[in-house]
Amino acid sequence: DSGVTQTPKHLITATGQRVTLRCSPRSGDLSVYWYQQSLDQGLQFLIQYYNGEERAKGNILERFSAQQFPDLHSELNLSSLELGDSALYFCASSATVTNSPLHFGNGTRLTVT
Amino acid sequence: GQQLNQSPQSMFIQEGEDVSMNCTSSSIFNTWLWYKQDPGEGPVLLIALYKAGELTSNGRLTAQFGITRKDSFLNISASIPSDVGIYFCAGRLSNTGKLIFGQGTTLQVKP
Repeated sequence: DSGVTQTPKHLITATGQRVTLRCSPRSGDLSVYWYQQSLDQGLQFLIQYYNGEERAKGNILERFSAQQFPDLHSELNLSSLELGDSALYFCASSATVTNSPLHFGNGTRLTVT
Repeated sequence: GQQLNQSPQSMFIQEGEDVSMNCTSSSIFNTWLWYKQDPGEGPVLLIALYKAGELTSNGRLTAQFGITRKDSFLNISASIPSDVGIYFCAGRLSNTGKLIFGQGTTLQVKP
């Protein structure tokens, strides 16, 4: 168990809808990362937060947004969903922004129909 | 942009064989991380490397931080069926601190 908790585990929704994915980092970790993994693909970095502030942005679509709350949990909001958004979404956390390894949750599998 | 070349892309080996995979780049890194991902689960950290030349073991797994700081390799000795999965390398760029993931090596082990 990595200590990173993601909910829900599975999500099935229709095109055009909006969903929110939730992540609780490991105790003591200040940095949260979001990754997208499509079928048979690698990990695509979306966005990183550190202690409530956006730290780095990757290939995140404008339809997607995220935030990190004062209690350090994070939410990833996906709107105007398209079939191509179907993927595994992983949250990871680390103690700091430099050198600390990332610890991943077990992901949320999003299916858009 | 910067990227990691992870190879091989996939491997199909016999139980008991040793396995080697590597990640290379033209960029310089200050950290290398190796992860294993089982189907439907999140990547699990196997080994973290922080210094050029560092050689670290975790059971049957051994990883090294290349002395040029541009590469890393992971070896698995005496493979067993539960070694099946996707192995990812990740390197943190020295100049920007950005963490980059390789595309993964899919390992299949035949009993």
